[in-house]
Amino acid sequence: AQSVTQLDSQVPVFEEAPVELRCNYSSSVSVYLFWYVQYPNQGLQLLLKYLSGSTLVKDINGFEAEFNKSQTSFHLRKPSVHISDTAEYFCAVSELIASKISFGSGTRLSIRP
Amino acid sequence: DAGVIQSPRHEVTEMGQEVTLRCKPISGHNSLFWYRQTMMRGLELLIYFNNNVPIDDSGMPEDRFSAKMPNASFSTLKIQPSEPRDSAVYFCASSLGPNSGNTIYFGEGSWLTVV
Repeated sequence: AQSVTQLDSQVPVFEEAPVELRCNYSSSVSVYLFWYVQYPNQGLQLLLKYLSGSTLVKDINGFEAEFNKSQTSFHLRKPSVHISDTAEYFCAVSELIASKISFGSGTRLSIRP
Repeated sequence: DAGVIQSPRHEVTEMGQEVTLRCKPISGHNSLFWYRQTMMRGLELLIYFNNNVPIDDSGMPEDRFSAKMPNASFSTLKIQPSEPRDSAVYFCASSLGPNSGNTIYFGEGSWLTVV
């Protein structure tokens, strides 16, 4: 069975500073990896996903995540955060042949002006 | 395109009452998931269906909880009788399954308060 660990429950950073949210997973088979974002009082939205191919995936808002198979990690990074990035971020993993997705406990990103 | 639609968005009910939460998945999606989110326990998978069939209900807390999916476009999560500890946000999500990379799409949630 797969599992996800997000070691940091909260990450405070200053606006325009870089940030890294850590995610490690455990699985005995090949996996898909995801980052979801949850803004206050809303549902979860897909931010990034790794299915295959290039290990570095990016979104249009400057977030990127890199799949590292040897370290079983999928850390999320952004070189310069904005106040609007304040949200909770969830890492998730799914085995290729199964529908079930397991989520981490979430990391709350708070941006200070 | 319409996303996952949940109703009601907010419900306040008294302890002991029956609560029914409803979900309409994205058209064409064949996997449906019910999650519960609380401050204490985070995001928990309660149950999921593939092609309307329950696959894994190991996350359902107890017999007071039941879920059905009578057809591909509708699912319900029922709590009977409800208790204050059931207060949470309940999310429904759907996906095309493994063939599409298992990407799941969430509804806006049903915010349940049991007093």
